[in-house]
Amino acid sequence: GAVVSQHPSRVICKSGTSVKIECRSLDFQATTMFWYRQFPKQSLMLMATSNEGSKATYEQGVEKDKFLINHASLTLSTLTVTSAHPEDSSFYICSASGFQTVETQYFGPGTRLLVL
Amino acid sequence: KQEVTQIPAALSVPEGENLVLNCSFTDSAIYNLQWFRQDPGKGLTSLLLIQSSQREQTSGRLNASLDKSSGRSTLYIAASQPGDSATYLCAVDPGTASKLTFGTGTRLQVTL
Repeated sequence: GAVVSQHPSRVICKSGTSVKIECRSLDFQATTMFWYRQFPKQSLMLMATSNEGSKATYEQGVEKDKFLINHASLTLSTLTVTSAHPEDSSFYICSASGFQTVETQYFGPGTRLLVL
Repeated sequence: KQEVTQIPAALSVPEGENLVLNCSFTDSAIYNLQWFRQDPGKGLTSLLLIQSSQREQTSGRLNASLDKSSGRSTLYIAASQPGDSATYLCAVDPGTASKLTFGTGTRLQVTL
C-alpha cells in the first residue's frame, strides 16, 4: 500500500512553454500533497503544500503564479510550471500523506525537467 | 528556522564495513525524524522513522538513534554491501503541517 506515482518521469521543453506534472496516490486517499524541488547535488526544498479542494500554501520565495498547483481530488495533484526558463530545470518530487497516519509522507519517483 | 546538516557529505567504504552517518538539527522541537534513501535520479525510500519520544529504531542492518536534546541522529549501517550505495537523507518533522526539513545528504559508495 501507499504508492505514489508521478508523470512524466522526465520532460524536455523549450523556454517559454508550460509543463504539467501529475502526482497520484494509487491506493489511498491523500488528504495532503507536498511538492519539492531538488537541484543537482542539493537536498529537497519544499515548494508548497496542498490540501484537496483548497488553495495551495507556498513556501517563502516560491512564485505561486509561476508554479500552479491544483489538488482537485484526493488522489491527484498537478504542478504546472508556467513560462518555464532554464533555471527551472530541476528534479521535482511530490509526496502524499493520509495513508494510515496523517504524518507519514509517501514520495513519488520524481520528474526530471530540463528547459532548453 | 530549522537547519539540518549531515556529515560527511560523501563516504566511500569497502564492502563489509560498519558505518555511521550523522545528522544534526538546530531546533530540538521536533515531532519525528526520518531517514531516507535516494538512488541517483530516483525518488525517496523511507528507511526508518523515529518519534520524538523514542531513542532508536531498527530495521535489518539499519539502526537509527535520536538524541533530541542535543539535536543529533545517527544512522548505523552494519556489514555494508554494494547495494547500499546511495544518498542518505535525514528529515525532521516539526509536527505542524508536517513540513519536512531535509538535510544536505550523505552520498555513500560501498566498493567491492
